[in-house]
Amino acid sequence: DAGVTQSPTHLIKTRGQHVTLRCSPISGHKSVSWYQQVLGQGPQFIFQYYEKEERGRGNFPDRFSARQFPNYSSELNVNALLLGDSALYLCASSLGRAQSYEQYFGPGTRLTVT
Amino acid sequence: AQKVTQAQTEISVVEKEDVTLDCVYETRDTTYYLFWYKQPPSGELVFLIRRNSFDEQNEISGRYSWNFQKSTSSFNFTITASQVVDSAVYFCALSGPRNNAGNMLTFGGGTRLMVKP
Repeated sequence: DAGVTQSPTHLIKTRGQHVTLRCSPISGHKSVSWYQQVLGQGPQFIFQYYEKEERGRGNFPDRFSARQFPNYSSELNVNALLLGDSALYLCASSLGRAQSYEQYFGPGTRLTVT
Repeated sequence: AQKVTQAQTEISVVEKEDVTLDCVYETRDTTYYLFWYKQPPSGELVFLIRRNSFDEQNEISGRYSWNFQKSTSSFNFTITASQVVDSAVYFCALSGPRNNAGNMLTFGGGTRLMVKP
């Protein structure tokens, strides 16, 4: 079975631009979460979506937004990019949003903002 | 607030040595889950183990073992007879009901393990 997939793999953007990252969850998984991992640090929670609704949001500015589609895939959008947004963006899917469900991570999208 | 601390930022061992990665957590929840993930150079986080707060039994899976001690809020990970392929960054993570998003994970800073031949 296919795991979590993310696209693109790498992306280079300029400050002030906008970016869209995409994620397809494992088949049957209805919950998608997004994390930001700055180099040398642990992942930080950005959003969780379940059944197409936002169920949680981390401490990130409004420049960050996301949505989940009827097929449970998801997009993460970042507006007005800053140099500090350079990071590995990880998508994780799980069967549900109960705390017992483990999250399975995709390979990530490495975003570089210049 | 929840917090996970991995005090060892980097560990270097020679192949076949045993190595223990420490994880200390803070939470006010009585029900929570602890996880360990492995992140090889490719970047993808690989799930290793999940442990709930009511199950303090130690677990062994091949060369991997985990020691959960609620009394000290620790969930340590031991690799026996380490191999070069174990080289990676290892993350300890915590989820609990106080999270506004179900199974949102709070990660530690990670421990980079280097196993030399």
